[in-house]
Amino acid sequence: GAGVSQSPSNKVTEKGKDVELRCDPISGHTALYWYRQSLGQGLEFLIYFQGNSAPDKSGLPSDRFSAERTGGSVSTLTIQRTQQEDSAVYLCASSLDNSPLHFGNGTRLTVT
Amino acid sequence: GDSVTQMEGPVTLSEEAFLTINCTYTATGYPSLFWYVQYPGEGLQLLLKATKADDKGSNKGFEATYRKETTSFHLEKGSVQVSDSAVYFCALRYNQGGKLIFGQGTELSVKP
Repeated sequence: GAGVSQSPSNKVTEKGKDVELRCDPISGHTALYWYRQSLGQGLEFLIYFQGNSAPDKSGLPSDRFSAERTGGSVSTLTIQRTQQEDSAVYLCASSLDNSPLHFGNGTRLTVT
Repeated sequence: GDSVTQMEGPVTLSEEAFLTINCTYTATGYPSLFWYVQYPGEGLQLLLKATKADDKGSNKGFEATYRKETTSFHLEKGSVQVSDSAVYFCALRYNQGGKLIFGQGTELSVKP
């Protein structure tokens, strides 16, 4: 596609439910990144994929968070047993090798 | 570890004023440096970059010079416009790829 696509754009869920966030990177981009943006916390790195493997997942805040990437393309970020502190905008980005990152518009997650 | 520090916002300026947003970094190696911009309601966009010491990145009237001796990458613009109102993020990344490390962001508001 023309850019990084994320879905849904907005998600409201109840505390304790699981959620899945989807990212479609730019076609051909080998690297994919997930970030979290919340008020007062700036942009927080979560995980980085190169192809289907994740050489850096140091930013995942707890074992409730997981991510996978299949076919070197689409990625899903799963948050289990959501908590109110998980409320944030989740951003996905992709890049080709060392080229600059291109960001999607994000998924705004609200946990009630 | 590696980190980026930006001046705190919000920064409020009148149209045509001179803009400086300070950014300093701490790095164990020799990263590339970036400025990203997030306009209201939009995703993060790359504004400019510099890949080595003394390089100057420029775009849309904005400039930043990679200063290794002061570990800085300050963003400047000679005459801001209302349309420049946005949040600006300084970031570093190693040339071997991997994650972007962001500063906390600086909100700029330009008044007519």
